[in-house]
Amino acid sequence: DAKTTQPNSMESNEEEPVHLPCNHSTISGTDYIHWYRQLPSQGPEYVIHGLTSNVNNRMASLAIAEDRKSSTLILHRATLRDAAVYYCILRRIQGAQKLVFGQGTRLTINP
Amino acid sequence: KAGVTQTPRYLIKTRGQQVTLSCSPISGHRSVSWYQQTPGQGLQFLFEYFSETQRNKGNFPGRFSGRQFSNSRSEMNVSTLELGDSALYLCASQRETSYNEQFFGPGTRLTVL
Repeated sequence: DAKTTQPNSMESNEEEPVHLPCNHSTISGTDYIHWYRQLPSQGPEYVIHGLTSNVNNRMASLAIAEDRKSSTLILHRATLRDAAVYYCILRRIQGAQKLVFGQGTRLTINP
Repeated sequence: KAGVTQTPRYLIKTRGQQVTLSCSPISGHRSVSWYQQTPGQGLQFLFEYFSETQRNKGNFPGRFSGRQFSNSRSEMNVSTLELGDSALYLCASQRETSYNEQFFGPGTRLTVL
């Protein structure tokens, strides 16, 4: 399973944008980049995923580097409810459906 | 649409006992995966079931087992409990054979005394 590297923690202020980086230098051509987050006392929840192009949804945006060796999850306007641990995960297009979680980034939002 | 449900939510057992945890996936989802979360090891994959067959297994001892029923509901069993089995056990479901999102339940908090 290809590995991802994320900062252990980050801090931001409410209503400001947040950029969460992820390095995945050993990514293969068949790996999708997925982001999940885990709010306190809850199971993880899906945030967004992409392959090569940048992606947007109602929760966040995903910016993928041209060489695909890194990506950035962007929360455009953080709220206190966005305080969570964010996981960057690589998933093969086919094959095993397991998610391989790293340590993630603990995001703190200051009011 | 109802989400993934897990029962029980909390459980206290003693060493040497066995435990069975239950998971009901989202309607129409045929893949169910189980994960263990501990402060020291983080989230680790246990196994995945699809159409009543185990498709993938993580690196856990044989004391951890599971099964899936014809209605896609799944159970996991841990025999001869050890103190280190204290953890949050999470179940996730997804639509068949896709790399799309997994939907997680709230988990079962198991404490082994």
